[in-house]
Amino acid sequence: DAGVIQSPRHEVTEMGQEVTLRCKPISGHNSLFWYRQTMMRGLELLIYFNNNVPIDDSGMPEDRFSAKMPNASFSTLKIQPSEPRDSAVYFCASSVGAIEQFFGPGTRLTVL
Amino acid sequence: ELKVEQNPLFLSMQEGKNYTIYCNYSTTSDRLYWYRQDPGKSLESLFVLLSNGAVKQEGRLMASLDTKARLSTLHITAAVHDLSATYFCAVGNSGYALNFGKGTSLLVTP
Repeated sequence: DAGVIQSPRHEVTEMGQEVTLRCKPISGHNSLFWYRQTMMRGLELLIYFNNNVPIDDSGMPEDRFSAKMPNASFSTLKIQPSEPRDSAVYFCASSVGAIEQFFGPGTRLTVL
Repeated sequence: ELKVEQNPLFLSMQEGKNYTIYCNYSTTSDRLYWYRQDPGKSLESLFVLLSNGAVKQEGRLMASLDTKARLSTLHITAAVHDLSATYFCAVGNSGYALNFGKGTSLLVTP
């Protein structure tokens, strides 16, 4: 199995630009999670989906962030407009229900 | 709100020594996970603990869970340099969400 796939692995953009992060979960997994990791705040859950339906988006910092899961094999996290404080590593993880979550390699986002 | 506290946050230990990392959490949960993260890398699942009294071991690492005390421990036996990494505990929250501790940065020195 290829594991969770994320793209891009690195993204450098300027403040105000739109950023789209992509994730392909492990085949057969029905839950997908987006996390953000920073030195100051650690690992934070942004949103998670179950069977492609958003279940808990209480961690999404503000309206500039949006996430979609149009099908079982693809999800996006979009930031529009981006700000320097959005700089972080964004992880996608997938699982079968509540059993262990498997993390992707992450996308390192830098907003200048 | 579920709070997860790890201690210590930083740990430097000599090869061959034993040590324990502690993970306390604030509300009832029946799921606890330990992950390892190497610098610049992703998180690797180490242990999944799903019941009170659960104990799991892999190599030099052993994890246990006491749901009544809301405490999990990660015990390191005879540490080696390859164990140097950051270790996170994560506790199951409502639904499938996980709350992570801040991590314990472990450095094993000769």
